[in-house]
Amino acid sequence: DTEVTQTPKHLVMGMTNKKSLKCEQHMGHRAMYWYKQKAKKPPELMFVYSYEKLSINESVPSRFSPECPNSSLLNLHLHALQPEDSALYLCASSQNPGQGVAYEQYFGPGTRLTVT
Amino acid sequence: AQTVTQSQPEMSVQEAETVTLSCTYDTSESDYYLFWYKQPPSRQMILVIRQEAYKQQNATENRFSVNFQKAAKSFSLKISDSQLGDAAMYFCAYRSGAFGNEKLTFGTGTRLTIIP
Repeated sequence: DTEVTQTPKHLVMGMTNKKSLKCEQHMGHRAMYWYKQKAKKPPELMFVYSYEKLSINESVPSRFSPECPNSSLLNLHLHALQPEDSALYLCASSQNPGQGVAYEQYFGPGTRLTVT
Repeated sequence: AQTVTQSQPEMSVQEAETVTLSCTYDTSESDYYLFWYKQPPSRQMILVIRQEAYKQQNATENRFSVNFQKAAKSFSLKISDSQLGDAAMYFCAYRSGAFGNEKLTFGTGTRLTIIP
């Protein structure tokens, strides 16, 4: 199983709503990532979890709150978002972070988020 | 900080022909990894090929091969016998070999069109 799954595929939310994005992998990977991708742009890293601990936060606004409840699951909690936060949110995972070998990242299909 | 440059926003190639996508990068590190990812209209990022900087031999994966010129900091992707399914946005990406640094830095992408 080399699949990263993300739910939901599409999400429309108002600026006062609270919602969550979910990412799951069963490849035994211990690094998980959230990226934000605007149209016709490359993905931008938001957060990295290594062994279920937050290791990188790319100065993301606090209205985005990541959570890694276990080694297979990664959530992104959304609250009080702005219209400019509308984007494709990609989750990725990779093997054994921090061992000096750069394992490739496997990406999920993404969640298309629209903030109205 | 590392930067990745893809100077060709768009490329097109006849089906069954060969096309080369360019990528240059800037780094002061000696240990790093380079990747090519493709993102079809279905939007899922898929790894095409990877190259370790310490390896002199160019990586190949079936119809995909790279020309890695470490001194010139160049990492081009050659697609042979182009197929309709190769149509996608292609991103070149850099990852440091430093311990605990899992960040991928992407180029701006090249949109590849396959002409039947």
